[in-house]
Amino acid sequence: DAGVIQSPRHEVTEMGQEVTLRCKPISGHDYLFWYRQTMMRGLELLIYFNNNVPIDDSGMPEDRFSAKMPNASFSTLKIQPSEPRDSAVYFCASSTRGGWNQPQHFGDGTRLSIL
Amino acid sequence: AQTVTQSQPEMSVQEAETVTLSCTYDTSESDYYLFWYKQPPSRQMILVIRQEAYKQQNATENRFSVNFQKAAKSFSLKISDSQLGDAAMYFCAYRRYRDDKIIFGKGTRLHILP
Repeated sequence: DAGVIQSPRHEVTEMGQEVTLRCKPISGHDYLFWYRQTMMRGLELLIYFNNNVPIDDSGMPEDRFSAKMPNASFSTLKIQPSEPRDSAVYFCASSTRGGWNQPQHFGDGTRLSIL
Repeated sequence: AQTVTQSQPEMSVQEAETVTLSCTYDTSESDYYLFWYKQPPSRQMILVIRQEAYKQQNATENRFSVNFQKAAKSFSLKISDSQLGDAAMYFCAYRRYRDDKIIFGKGTRLHILP
């Protein structure tokens, strides 16, 4: 079974450009989470979806950040315009509510560098 | 609000020795779940072990075991017979019962010395 797939693996772009990160969750998982990881702040939850519907976006730092999940097998996290302080590793994770102790399955992350 | 604290930013252990990583959490809930995740240099987050708060018995997975002290709100991870492949960042995590979100600590970077 394929795990959570994220693309791109690395992204380097200039300040002001639009950045789109992509995620394909594990088939059958109905929860999808977007995290940001930095040295200073650790792993922060940005937003999560249940059955393609955003449930909690309180972690989204600014209006420059937006996330969508048009169907059960695809989600995007978009930053427009990007800023150097957005540089981080962004993770997507998915899980199923088949038991409250079920863990989240993480993708390999996207390392984003904004110059 | 629930918080998870890992007080050791970095630790080192000699190969084949035992090491314990500390984690404390703050919650007013009685039902919840605790996890340890491992993040090697490849960046992927891997579940190491999980514990249900209602279970008194400490979880064990091969060389990994936990010391769960509910009253003290402590959840430490013990790695026995450390191997070079155990070198990674380890995250302690908390999930309230019936909640969708997991709260992560800031991590402990573990170095294995050959």
